[in-house]
Amino acid sequence: DAGITQSPRHKVTETGTPVTLRCHQTENHRYMYWYRQDPGHGLRLIHYSYGVKDTDKGEVSDGYSVSRSKTEDFLLTLESATSSQTSVYFCAISDSSQSPLHFGNGTRLTVT
Amino acid sequence: QKEVEQNSGPLSVPEGAIASLNCTYSDRGSQSFFWYRQYSGKSPELIMSIYSNGDKEDGRFTAQLNKASQYVSLLIRDSQPSDSATYLCAVINTGNQFYFGTGTSLTVIP
Repeated sequence: DAGITQSPRHKVTETGTPVTLRCHQTENHRYMYWYRQDPGHGLRLIHYSYGVKDTDKGEVSDGYSVSRSKTEDFLLTLESATSSQTSVYFCAISDSSQSPLHFGNGTRLTVT
Repeated sequence: QKEVEQNSGPLSVPEGAIASLNCTYSDRGSQSFFWYRQYSGKSPELIMSIYSNGDKEDGRFTAQLNKASQYVSLLIRDSQPSDSATYLCAVINTGNQFYFGTGTSLTVIP
């Protein structure tokens, strides 16, 4: 793995509760991404960051927020979890906008 | 129209055969193309990058790019049961957005 750690690996939570997923990298890469992966939809970009405090929305950003206060950490927050946010969440990193992405091991989130 | 399209399969090939996986993309100005392999329950793993028209070979894998026709393909020679996985095509478009196809499931039958 490319020095990317996601935590937690698994989480079950109830509808309406806040949830924060963490991505930590040791590669000093500038770009960090959060994706969700669902059957039939593939990987869809939620939010990404191109530097400390610099973030932007992806195609499925509604209901999610992110923060990046340090190069190595990128947090994804579900303010009020819904069942439609049950998914596998992947963090990815790259060192430039044209470089391939390298993925963390994923977080399986279940919202009941 | 989706940015990246793949045949979802499943694709089954006998061990030792050539597996051919195809992908088309919509943004003609795209410059960077990738193939990822994803085993069930695991994260996507980069196996090939290609940036120029033509073929690029790495071991048993060959990526082919045809920008005029807007397609990318991946050939796996001498397919092994360990190649059984879902293969994701990915493209960086002119807006520097990274898009993935939904993947093609490959099964190599011993």
